[in-house]
Amino acid sequence: RKEVEQDPGPFNVPEGATVAFNCTYSNSASQSFFWYRQDCRKEPKLLMSVYSSGNEDGRFTAQLNRASQYISLLIRDSKLSDSATYLCVVNSSTGANNLFFGTGTRLTVIP
Amino acid sequence: NAGVTQTPKFRVLKTGQSMTLLCAQDMNHEYMYWYRQDPGMGLRLIHYSVGEGTTAKGEVPDGYNVSRLKKQNFLLGLESAAPSQTSVYFCAPPLAGGPGRFGRSDTQYFGPGTRLTVL
Repeated sequence: RKEVEQDPGPFNVPEGATVAFNCTYSNSASQSFFWYRQDCRKEPKLLMSVYSSGNEDGRFTAQLNRASQYISLLIRDSKLSDSATYLCVVNSSTGANNLFFGTGTRLTVIP
Repeated sequence: NAGVTQTPKFRVLKTGQSMTLLCAQDMNHEYMYWYRQDPGMGLRLIHYSVGEGTTAKGEVPDGYNVSRLKKQNFLLGLESAAPSQTSVYFCAPPLAGGPGRFGRSDTQYFGPGTRLTVL
C-alpha cells in the first residue's frame, strides 16, 4: 500500500465552483501534513500546512481527520489561476527521509 | 526559492552517456534531498544527505550516485544513462527545522528542476 494516496482527477470545474480534494495516508504515526501546488512544468510549492484543528487561508481550507487518516483541501470560489496539480504531503517522522508525496490531483478551472 | 539553483535546466542524453546534475544552495542547509518526478508516480526520493561528506540512499537509488563534498553543493550523477531515467529531477532542502535536523513538523521546498530526456 502506498504511503499517501490521492485521486488523480482530473477535476474540471467552472469558475466560482467549490471543489474538494481528499488524500489518505497509511502511517498512523504521521505527524505533519501539507498541501503543495504544482503548476505545469514548474516545481511544487508549499500551499499550506494542515493543522489538527483545521485551518483556512483565504479561499482555501485544509482539514485533518486522524481517526480516518485522511486530509482534505477545499477551494471555494475557484479562479482560473487555481488550475494546477495539488500534492498531498505527509511527514511520517521515521527519520531524515520523512516525507511522502501523493501523486497529485489535477484541477482545471473552466471559464 | 532563490536560495536553491539547479543546473542544467534541460538535458538530452543518449543511452550510456553520463552526466552530473548540480544543486547549489546558499542557505547553509545541512540536509539536502534529490527527487525524481514521473507521471503517475509522484515524487520519489533518490538520495539524500544530512551534512557535508555524508550521503544516504532513498527509495530509488539504483543507477545514481551522489556526492556532498561541500555543504552548499549536492551532486547527482548518472554513470550510464538509461531511458528509464527520463524524468524531472528536483533538489529539495528543508523548509524549516534547525541546523542538522529534519523534524516531524518540517517539510521541504524545491529547486526549479532539471528536465532530463534519455534517448
